[in-house]
Amino acid sequence: EVQLVESGGVVVQPGGSLRLSCSASGFTFDDYTMHWVRQAPGKGLEWVSLISWDGDNTYYADSVKGRFTISRDNSKNSLYLQMNSLRTEDTALYYCAKDSVVSAWGSLDYWGQGTLVTVSS
Amino acid sequence: DIQMTQSPSSLSASVGDRVTITCRASQGISNYLAWYQQKPGKDPKLLIYAASTLQSGVPSRFSGSGSGTDFTLTISSLQPEDVATYYCQKYNSAPRTFGQGTKVEIK
Repeated sequence: EVQLVESGGVVVQPGGSLRLSCSASGFTFDDYTMHWVRQAPGKGLEWVSLISWDGDNTYYADSVKGRFTISRDNSKNSLYLQMNSLRTEDTALYYCAKDSVVSAWGSLDYWGQGTLVTVSS
Repeated sequence: DIQMTQSPSSLSASVGDRVTITCRASQGISNYLAWYQQKPGKDPKLLIYAASTLQSGVPSRFSGSGSGTDFTLTISSLQPEDVATYYCQKYNSAPRTFGQGTKVEIK
């Protein structure tokens, strides 16, 4: 059974930093591109970032480019999101999601339960 | 960047009604389009990928169509358990933009 478990969400002050983690199990982690998607309270889904299966390629939404860094450790079946220079508008539930296609790009077929990041003074 | 526009933003229909949601891409994306269902308080669930392929386990009352810039999600006979917000997403390239969502309620 595929499982994605996010952690690391807390309350942080504007300008602060935070690192989210996603622990994956139930599939061959290093075969798949992984994503972070966020959802602000009462709002829609916003794609944040992706990292290719081998870690060689990363992409970001314009809203987080230069502030967030996605990474992965295939030996630990783990995905990370380093979040710097946090703003109040980064407040959201952050989901880890798995791509559906081996060594390529596809839809997002499994999602975690999310971890809540609150940016507030 | 390619923008994804869904319509309507919300709808209310009766049990058994046929419901159609549209998603329009600002540029052609071939069939690299997915639909997700998010029930209140739950994580999103993949319904359809490649514009028209039903994900395993999804009821057959759900269907998708379209290619290029115009896509539709159809629920052939709305059920109470279909109350949710539905999102389209492009995945031909990054950024993997979502539509703004369509909230479906029972009348």
